[in-house]
Amino acid sequence: DAGITQSPRHKVTETGTPVTLRCHQTENHRYMYWYRQDPGHGLRLIHYSYGVKDTDKGEVSDGYSVSRSKTEDFLLTLESATSSQTSVYFCAISRQGETGELFFGEGSRLTVL
Amino acid sequence: DQQVKQNSPSLSVQEGRISILNCDYTNSMFDYFLWYKKYPAEGPTFLISISSIKDKNEDGRFTVFLNKSAKHLSLHIVPSQPGDSAVYFCAASANFNKFYFGSGTKLNVKP
Repeated sequence: DAGITQSPRHKVTETGTPVTLRCHQTENHRYMYWYRQDPGHGLRLIHYSYGVKDTDKGEVSDGYSVSRSKTEDFLLTLESATSSQTSVYFCAISRQGETGELFFGEGSRLTVL
Repeated sequence: DQQVKQNSPSLSVQEGRISILNCDYTNSMFDYFLWYKKYPAEGPTFLISISSIKDKNEDGRFTVFLNKSAKHLSLHIVPSQPGDSAVYFCAASANFNKFYFGSGTKLNVKP
């Protein structure tokens, strides 16, 4: 258990509303990631963070913003949700410097109507 | 453009036989490769990895092979078991920063 909690686990919202997904870790790791999983596309990196207030874009960052004000929390915000952002969102942490692999949370299923 | 590609969306094998899952990549800067397994409604779980300085890594029934000149890696599962039925993702990284994933291969192991 990598100590990652995502909330909410399920959310249904309407087009144009803002949505924030939260990722919380208990292990004090520096690197955190947000991915989305869609059929035919696999897992695509949205944004990642390499420290408090240090973030960078991934492959599909348009329409998303992130914030990391403390080590344990990494927030993903959809400023104005669209139907194309209906997806399953996964948070991950990296135990960089050890074995390097990512450990994932259980996912947050978002439906935008 | 996808930097990591899994061209087979699905694979079906008989229990006890070998499963071979393939993955290709385009970025020569990738130096670390991983395989993940994913069951429905769960997050992906780490399976096995390989550094670019190696060409093979084994862990029990799972072996990953890396062919750098061809920019190709494969995952061998021997013998395959019904519990191995899942979606398998390959991933690649340069310097353990961004991790890029393929689109996944759904493995079905028939009893």
